[in-house]
Amino acid sequence: QKEVEQDPGPLSVPEGAIVSLNCTYSNSAFQYFMWYRQYSRKGPELLMYTYSSGNKEDGRFTAQVDKSSKYISLFIRDSQPSDSATYLCAMSAGYGNNRLAFGKGNQVVVIP
Amino acid sequence: GAVVSQHPSRVICKSGTSVKIECRSLDFQATTMFWYRQFPKQSLMLMATSNEGSKATYEQGVEKDKFLINHASLTLSTLTVTSAHPEDSSFYICSARAQLSARAPYGYTFGSGTRLTVV
Repeated sequence: QKEVEQDPGPLSVPEGAIVSLNCTYSNSAFQYFMWYRQYSRKGPELLMYTYSSGNKEDGRFTAQVDKSSKYISLFIRDSQPSDSATYLCAMSAGYGNNRLAFGKGNQVVVIP
Repeated sequence: GAVVSQHPSRVICKSGTSVKIECRSLDFQATTMFWYRQFPKQSLMLMATSNEGSKATYEQGVEKDKFLINHASLTLSTLTVTSAHPEDSSFYICSARAQLSARAPYGYTFGSGTRLTVV
């Protein structure tokens, strides 16, 4: 079983729709959960960051973490064509453990 | 915020030559830097972790003699792909982890990547 599972299937949605992405993980030591956005041929940029369980909202983006289920989600409301990118979940055990574990990424296309 | 500059953004080299990629933290000190490799439509694969002033730690399956990493200062890490072959063609991305501070609370900042093509 991989540490982080993210269904890599592409996702196409019409502009204005809600985009829902999720990842599951197996390592119960993970405490820091991140979502990165990566445009084609660019490095990932941090979108959302959550520590432990709970919800976090930033504008149109909401990140949820359920440590009991080892499940994290990212929601994008009122999606825009500029949101078209690959979204990667990532997580780590903490600052004592440097390593980030990534999901495979979801390619999201928002159709105008 | 924390910025990581990676250079060059793309490079084409002949088979058998060596290529050096630089990763610089511009406004913070990076105690730890990471080098990733990414194939098309795939996730980032960690190649190695480098800590300033010490040897890099390579992930299983990564040839340390082929991918030389030097982290000589708190703001610069380099990855040298030695005797490059076409199968080394990929997208290489560095990431720097800052000392915990208000300027870089999340720790992990990525460079913009280097597309290496070996012909």
